Amino acid sequence: DAGITQSPRHKVTETGTPVTLRCHQTENHRYMYWYRQDPGHGLRLIHYSYGVKDTDKGEVSDGYSVSRSKTEDFLLTLESATSSQTSVYFCAISEPGTGDYGYTFGSGTRLTVV
Amino acid sequence: RKEVEQDPGPFNVPEGATVAFNCTYSNSASQSFFWYRQDCRKEPKLLMSVYSSGNEDGRFTAQLNRASQYISLLIRDSKLSDSATYLCVVNEGDFGNEKLTFGTGTRLTIIP
Repeated sequence: DAGITQSPRHKVTETGTPVTLRCHQTENHRYMYWYRQDPGHGLRLIHYSYGVKDTDKGEVSDGYSVSRSKTEDFLLTLESATSSQTSVYFCAISEPGTGDYGYTFGSGTRLTVV
Repeated sequence: RKEVEQDPGPFNVPEGATVAFNCTYSNSASQSFFWYRQDCRKEPKLLMSVYSSGNEDGRFTAQLNRASQYISLLIRDSKLSDSATYLCVVNEGDFGNEKLTFGTGTRLTIIP
């Protein structure tokens, strides 16, 4: 399997606190993505990155920020966590334009905001 | 209207049976299509790409109908290990600038 790890795997946090999730890859892929998955909604794109310091918003970016200072790391920050951000967060990587369009996902982070 | 629609199921199918899922998409300009598999409390994993001419991988067959804007997945001789949620995924972007949209998934349970 591709080298992609997410940390932490589980987290419980209080409303109003900042939270940072980390995605680390060893595949040297240019593109990295953060998704959230909720019942009835499927996977929804939060933010993505197409290179170091190059990021863009997805469809559900409000309340989230990202940073990518190195190719291998993509951080997702919930600036002030709310209960609506309780979800499972998946990071994914890809190398577009190579003919292999598959995304490889990390194992996910289960975040509960209480 | 959702961009990618799937029947959520659940589909409860006896072992050895054949089962088929359909998925419809709204963007006629969509470029490529995939099926992902997601086991309970696990990450999605690419099952297969869907080509215009249809393609087969062992017991799995994927078909694309661009005119009607739907994709199908057929599983023959189903196994207990096929129990999972199957996600239909559509790429609405261009080559080198992929934009994947995920369906909500179809849940399949194979019954012994």
